[in-house]
Amino acid sequence: GDSVTQMEGPVTLSEEAFLTINCTYTATGYPSLFWYVQYPGEGLQLLLKATKADDKGSNKGFEATYRKETTSFHLEKGSVQVSDSAVYFCALKTGGGNKLTFGTGTQLKVEL
Amino acid sequence: NAGVTQTPKFQVLKTGQSMTLQCAQDMNHEYMSWYRQDPGMGLRLIHYSVGAGITDQGEVPNGYNVSRSTTEDFPLRLLSAAPSQTSVYFCASVRDRSHEQYFGPGTRLTVT
Repeated sequence: GDSVTQMEGPVTLSEEAFLTINCTYTATGYPSLFWYVQYPGEGLQLLLKATKADDKGSNKGFEATYRKETTSFHLEKGSVQVSDSAVYFCALKTGGGNKLTFGTGTQLKVEL
Repeated sequence: NAGVTQTPKFQVLKTGQSMTLQCAQDMNHEYMSWYRQDPGMGLRLIHYSVGAGITDQGEVPNGYNVSRSTTEDFPLRLLSAAPSQTSVYFCASVRDRSHEQYFGPGTRLTVT
């Protein structure tokens, strides 16, 4: 079945550091890929998405490129802020339905 | 637009008790779903609905019931609570064709 593997956290960075959170997937067919963010005490929010190979999703300074050859969708940001502290979930969707398969989440802590 | 709302925010149950977690959305979304979030396991799909009167099982449906009598509401019923159901529960709805799922703020349930 479909699955998503994320790097384990927590990831602790200093403000303005470069961020990479790795995500790889296993799926039948051609999935759509997503990054969701969960701020403390809140529900998940869509951060960015990519629906086909080589697409780059971007939002709020975050980027991720859909790499079919390596089945990856790594999240990057050039300069993190304290306000980026949250849990980040990689997810995929296959077929015509709306069921999402989530990774286990990666907690990011950004310190001054 | 209130988006996706969930009640209650917190609940403590004793083993064997039953209760209903409420979920409502005011975006006229056809597709709604329930997830549970557990440490180290990401989000797992419990039940989902593609429209009023239609529901189906997700990955972890045992011990839970759902119904969808209106487009707006999608309650989740715990028939006989067990400690293994201690979790954070999220309801989500999706706008067709956009792939973006909107999540509620969650219900934190503890079963003792």
